[in-house]
Amino acid sequence: AQTVTQSQPEMSVQEAETVTLSCTYDTSESNYYLFWYKQPPSRQMILVIRQEAYKQQNATENRFSVNFQKAAKSFSLKISDSQLGDTAMYFCAFIAYTSGTYKYIFGTGTRLKVLA
Amino acid sequence: DSGVTQTPKHLITATGQRVTLRCSPRSGDLSVYWYQQSLDQGLQFLIQYYNGEERAKGNILERFSAQQFPDLHSELNLSSLELGDSALYFCASSVGGPGQGRNTIYFGEGSWLTVV
Repeated sequence: AQTVTQSQPEMSVQEAETVTLSCTYDTSESNYYLFWYKQPPSRQMILVIRQEAYKQQNATENRFSVNFQKAAKSFSLKISDSQLGDTAMYFCAFIAYTSGTYKYIFGTGTRLKVLA
Repeated sequence: DSGVTQTPKHLITATGQRVTLRCSPRSGDLSVYWYQQSLDQGLQFLIQYYNGEERAKGNILERFSAQQFPDLHSELNLSSLELGDSALYFCASSVGGPGQGRNTIYFGEGSWLTVV
């Protein structure tokens, strides 16, 4: 069974500093996708970044980047130059095609607070 | 704006009642997903449809049902409501089902259900 684990329930970071959120997953699939979603206080789910498992290059979106370690099944999110607007819940998600359909599995989330 | 539209945004109803939540996926998306998020909880996958057919079922109660119509919009029906059903219900959509490439899911803003 596929699982996604976010071991840090809460984190905080000073504005303008860098923070890394951890995510590990477990799967026997070889082809899958990984995502980070952000949920600000408005509760809307916003896609932050995505990574295809077959790509070795780490994905980057402006201040957001990932460290994808396929062998270790690790997919951490790095936020550089943290801004107050980055305060949110962050969910790691895993998608694999198995048993005839795509299965989406979300981690339990990491609550990030950016401090002024 | 993700392009996924959910109505109503807020709903208050009494225990024992029945409600219907509606979702219009992004233009061109064939897959629709329903998730439940209780206060300070993660995302619970309920059910997925692809082009009108049920594709995957998660932790959906028997009191809940869903369907996807020929125009691809979807409805989630919640009946015999209990206090514990109070939650934010998300609809999400993606382009494809089996055999497709990227399957990034985009979330609507959610429907807040309060059962009193």
